[in-house]
Amino acid sequence: QTVVTQEPSFSVSPGGTVTLTCGLSSGSVSTTYYPSWYRQTPGQAPRTLIYSTNIRSSGVPDRFSGSILGNKAALTITGAQADDECDYYCVLYMGGGIWVFGGGTKLTVL
Amino acid sequence: QVQLVESGGGVVQPGGSLRLSCAASGFTFSIYNMHWVRQGPGKGLEYVAFIRYDGSNEYYADSVKGRFTISRDNSKNTLYLQMNSLRAEDTAVYYCAKDSGSGLCYFDYWGQGTLVTVSS
Repeated sequence: QTVVTQEPSFSVSPGGTVTLTCGLSSGSVSTTYYPSWYRQTPGQAPRTLIYSTNIRSSGVPDRFSGSILGNKAALTITGAQADDECDYYCVLYMGGGIWVFGGGTKLTVL
Repeated sequence: QVQLVESGGGVVQPGGSLRLSCAASGFTFSIYNMHWVRQGPGKGLEYVAFIRYDGSNEYYADSVKGRFTISRDNSKNTLYLQMNSLRAEDTAVYYCAKDSGSGLCYFDYWGQGTLVTVSS
């Protein structure tokens, strides 16, 4: 059973930089998993932020960037703002028509 | 603009069935793969099912395999999820999501979701 791991919670100061990660319970995340990132505020549908590791979705500010750091995919937010406070999910494509979501990271900006 | 509107959610008893629909507009539905994703109360997102643009292939998460069936009617621009033998743990908001179609394996648009509650 493949488990995609994310930090359950993270905190960042306004204007600060934070890096959220997305790993595998067994093995390393690489670009071949096409990591993508989504943000979700309570009661709302998810919105696409980053796809194929590091491509920003249309309209996403360049404060958001994606990368591979070590053996994990990473989402970096620079110049954090109050409205960045929400849940962030990564998802990896495992092949064979199967995607697996991470458990999500609740980001607090304070 | 792309719109995905889910419907069909509601309260159902354990062991019961429900069919969800997702009406698509604003894009050529028949050429895009589609997905269902769900989110239990207070929980994270969970991938449920995938269907190819022409309905030729389907894939399911282990948690729903054998109980759920994804299908589509390209003449009606509608995606479906038939859910049988429902369990309490199937209680969730169910989202349909459009595949980007770029080969880069991500979801570019999401519906607002429909709530399914499995309870006696």
